[in-house]
Amino acid sequence: DTAVSQTPKYLVTQMGNDKSIKCEQNLGHDTMYWYKQDSKKFLKIMFSYNNKELIINETVPNRFSPKSPDKAHLNLHINSLELGDSAVYFCASRLTGGTNYGYTFGSGTRLTVV
Amino acid sequence: GEDVEQSLFLSVREGDSSVINCTYTDSSSTYLYWYKQEPGAGLQLLTYIFSNMDMKQDQRLTVLLNKKDKHLSLRIADTQTGDSAIYFCAVAYTGTASKLTFGTGTRLQVTL
Repeated sequence: DTAVSQTPKYLVTQMGNDKSIKCEQNLGHDTMYWYKQDSKKFLKIMFSYNNKELIINETVPNRFSPKSPDKAHLNLHINSLELGDSAVYFCASRLTGGTNYGYTFGSGTRLTVV
Repeated sequence: GEDVEQSLFLSVREGDSSVINCTYTDSSSTYLYWYKQEPGAGLQLLTYIFSNMDMKQDQRLTVLLNKKDKHLSLRIADTQTGDSAIYFCAVAYTGTASKLTFGTGTRLQVTL
């Protein structure tokens, strides 16, 4: 199936732990994003990679480190998890220079820090 | 930076039309979108409009864009209970560093 897929779908972990979320797209897109949706449903961009190069890095604690091994994958590693990191994290992708309606979102990873 | 605002809540009766409004601040926004999010689900692209258009119709959905006032609206005709969800407007500009900036979301409740 063509899509943006994220794993895991749910993640429950204790404060202080380190965890990773993975994202993969098979749409042939060259730009990938991480968005965070908080408990009030606000959606905010965190990072963007274009062809493995970091191009957007919003004000995010440096405990969050994205990595893009190739243009089809974008992972998010979070160190020393805090309660405030609990949120839904969405991965998205698009094709630069394509018709700009091409932002495709994954189904989200619900992270709960206890 | 870009600021995108929406009213938080809208309640309509089934069969009526719903109008969800959005205002944005950056006049260089080139592409404007409407996304739907059902409870516990991801973001579904409903429709989009380019900044050189005033209106776009897609079945029950009508998007109106007033560039002068930086105002975007989504009209849902014959609203059904299945339309109950959160609706986000989002704006973007062209370029490699393009990103979607989302509005605050409007929760649409459809009553019988």
